[in-house]
Amino acid sequence: QKEVEQNSGPLSVPEGAIASLNCTYSDRGSQSFFWYRQYSGKSPELIMFIYSNGDKEDGRFIAQLNKASQYVSLLIRDSQPSDSATYLCAVNPPGGFKTIFGAGTRLFVKA
Amino acid sequence: EAGVVQSPRYKIIEKKQPVAFWCNPISGHNTLYWYLQNLGQGPELLIRYENEEAVDDSQLPKDRFSAERLKGVDSTLKIQPAELGDSAVYLCASSPGLAESSYEQYFGPGTRLTVT
Repeated sequence: QKEVEQNSGPLSVPEGAIASLNCTYSDRGSQSFFWYRQYSGKSPELIMFIYSNGDKEDGRFIAQLNKASQYVSLLIRDSQPSDSATYLCAVNPPGGFKTIFGAGTRLFVKA
Repeated sequence: EAGVVQSPRYKIIEKKQPVAFWCNPISGHNTLYWYLQNLGQGPELLIRYENEEAVDDSQLPKDRFSAERLKGVDSTLKIQPAELGDSAVYLCASSPGLAESSYEQYFGPGTRLTVT
């Protein structure tokens, strides 16, 4: 079992819809959770981080964390074609220092 | 505020040649990371520094890779000799780190290495 798992996609949604990206992790004691966006040929860009169970909202982005289920998700409301990218889930295991990245989910938003 | 700076952006070398990558982190960020990213994969940690101390280098192939972060600011990653399988994007990232209990990472543009 991979430490951080994501569906590779591609996930295709129409413009204006809600895109839902999911991630599971194996280490139950993990403490910090991050979502990065990576455009083709570019480096990852931090878009959200969440440390506590529940929802965290920032503009059109909502991060959801459920530690009991070892599940973290990212919702993108009112998806735009410019949101088309690969979204990387990243998790810090206990100790907080080392970050493990998933392989990413490719998202396509159709105009 | 300037972001993470890396150079060069692209490098093409023949196998068995040496290569070096340079990174300057965001000012004030104590933690510096070097990652390797292959196409279709997430970044994989090579080494992490807290100030000038390498605190996690378990994934660094020490027979050919070396890194340093003198004075706890900029850092250099070296490969000698390079192998065909080293072709990848090498990413540098920094974060406020342990001092602020903040581990959000900010990435540089990366160096795309091609070994022929």
